[in-house]
Amino acid sequence: DTGVSQDPRHKITKRGQNVTFRCDPISEHNRLYWYRQTLGQGPEFLTYFQNEAQLEKSRLLSDRFSAERPKGSFSTLEIQRTEQGDSAMYLCASSLGMGNNEQFFGPGTRLTVL
Amino acid sequence: EDQVTQSPEALRLQEGESSSLNCSYTVSGLRGLFWYRQDPGKGPEFLFTLYSAGEEKEKERLKATLTKKESFLHITAPKPEDSATYLCAVQARNYGGSQGNLIFGKGTKLSVKP
Repeated sequence: DTGVSQDPRHKITKRGQNVTFRCDPISEHNRLYWYRQTLGQGPEFLTYFQNEAQLEKSRLLSDRFSAERPKGSFSTLEIQRTEQGDSAMYLCASSLGMGNNEQFFGPGTRLTVL
Repeated sequence: EDQVTQSPEALRLQEGESSSLNCSYTVSGLRGLFWYRQDPGKGPEFLFTLYSAGEEKEKERLKATLTKKESFLHITAPKPEDSATYLCAVQARNYGGSQGNLIFGKGTKLSVKP
């Protein structure tokens, strides 16, 4: 399968704990995006990378959130001191860039904060 | 502010009963409009990209059209396997700013009964 993959698929944690999610994009894609989706809503943009450079961060991305894409391949999203309001589906997408803006999504990581 | 509104929120059809989903958008400059299908607990699946008013794309029983203010997703003779949430998203052409993220609507939940 050469699509976008995410790990883990599900994460249950206690409030105050730190969690880290991983995303592996489609191999030739230069751009990588993180979105968050809650029940009954469309995905909301969090941040985006062009190769290893983080080019934009949404105001939704508080100081407790940090994302990296160290070698321009896989990316990690870390949430520190989780809160119950962080419970959501975290989606990763990738696109080829270079004028091709079609974003392909992974299966998501479902986070539940107790 | 850039935004996307989808209607109806939910649609129930009998198998074979054709219908249309609406996506109205307000954006400073449209780079592209995207349609996705999302099954419960999964990431969005890419369907179509439309770039300019008058453009149409087709795939099996689905046809997407675009005007300067809205897009329609026409479903012809739907089958139960077409049941899903259909998401519309726009990518804005922000000179000097964001050129990456998608702005999603809340989606239309389609149910097709046999």
